[in-house]
This record gives sequence, structure tokens and C-alpha cells, in this order.
Amino acid sequence: QKEVEQDPGPLSVPEGAIVSLNCTYSNSAFQYFMWYRQYSRKGPELLMYTYSSGNKEDGRFTAQVDKSSKYISLFIRDSQPSDSATYLCAMSEETGRRALTFGSGTRLQVQP
Amino acid sequence: GAVVSQHPSWVICKSGTSVKIECRSLDFQATTMFWYRQFPKQSLMLMATSNEGSKATYEQGVEKDKFLINHASLTLSTLTVTSAHPEDSSFYICSVSGGLYEQYFGPGTRLTVT
Repeated sequence: QKEVEQDPGPLSVPEGAIVSLNCTYSNSAFQYFMWYRQYSRKGPELLMYTYSSGNKEDGRFTAQVDKSSKYISLFIRDSQPSDSATYLCAMSEETGRRALTFGSGTRLQVQP
Repeated sequence: GAVVSQHPSWVICKSGTSVKIECRSLDFQATTMFWYRQFPKQSLMLMATSNEGSKATYEQGVEKDKFLINHASLTLSTLTVTSAHPEDSSFYICSVSGGLYEQYFGPGTRLTVT
């Protein structure tokens, strides 16, 4: 079993839809949770960053962390064709060398 | 966040030769940088952690004699793939530790070994 599980998709939605992306994990020591967006053949771009449980909102993006269920989500409101990319969740423990453990990524396609 | 560059963006080399990839932190003094490898349609796999002025820490299964990492300054880390083979063809990405646990990534280097 992988430490971080993420549905690879592809997920195809119409423009304007609300998108829900999710990851589950098994390591209860993870405390830092991040979402990255990656366009084809580009480096990942940090979207959201959350510590421990709770919600965080930034514009059209909302990140949720439920540590009791070991489940994190990223919601995208009013999705745009420019949101079409691969979304990677990433996690880190609070101590140690700050290495990130990534999910496999979900490919999102927003149809105009 | 930190701005990170990589050079070259794409390199093709012949089997048996060595290739050097540079990672620069343009606006941030990075004591720690990370090197990842990404195969097509797969996630990022951490190869090594690079600390300025000291030896890199390699992940299990990564050959330290094949993937040489040098972090000589707070703004530059290099990855040298020695005696490259076709199976080393991949997308190599570096990142800079942002202070807490976030990381900022470079644009990546696509290596093709023929």
C-alpha cells in the first residue's frame, strides 16, 4: 500500500463546475499538507499549504484536511480551462528532513 | 515563494556520457535543496536532499556514485548523471525548501539518453 493514494483520473468537467480532488494517506505523523499544480513538462507550482487539520481558502481554491480520517481535499470553484493540469497532493512530517511524499497526481480537464 | 531556475531545460546525450544539471535559487538563500525524478505519468520521486556545504543524503535505491550532487553555495546545486544510460531518461526537478515545510520547484530538466 502506498503512503499516499490519489486517483489518477483523468477527471473531465465542464467550465464553471466545482471540482473536488482528494488524497488519502496512511502515515499519521504527516502534519503538513500541500497541493501542487503541474502543467505538462513543467515543475510543480505550490497552490495551497495547510498545517494539521482544518480548512484554508485562497480565491477559488479551498483546501481541507481531516486528520481523523487521513483524508485531504482540494476544491476548485468556477473551474476554468486554464485549470486543466495535473494536481498533486504532498505531505510531510513535522520533524526530520522536510522531505515531501507525493500522491500520484490527478489529471484534470476543464472543457470550455 | 522562491523563484527557482534549472539549466538546461532539455538535454539529449549519448549513452555512456555524463550530464550536469544546474538548479539555482534566484531570490532566496537555500540551505536545503531537493532533487526529484519523474517518469511519464508518474509522480515525483525524491532522489536526494542537498545541504549547502555538506554531502547529499540519498534515498534508498538511488546510486550516489551515479547521481553526483554538489551544493557549493546557497543559490546553486548541481546534479551530474554519470555514465548515463537510456533508463536514466526522465524529467529531473529540483526544489528549494521554503523555510517551513513548503517547497518551491524549478521548471525541470528533460533528459533523453540515446
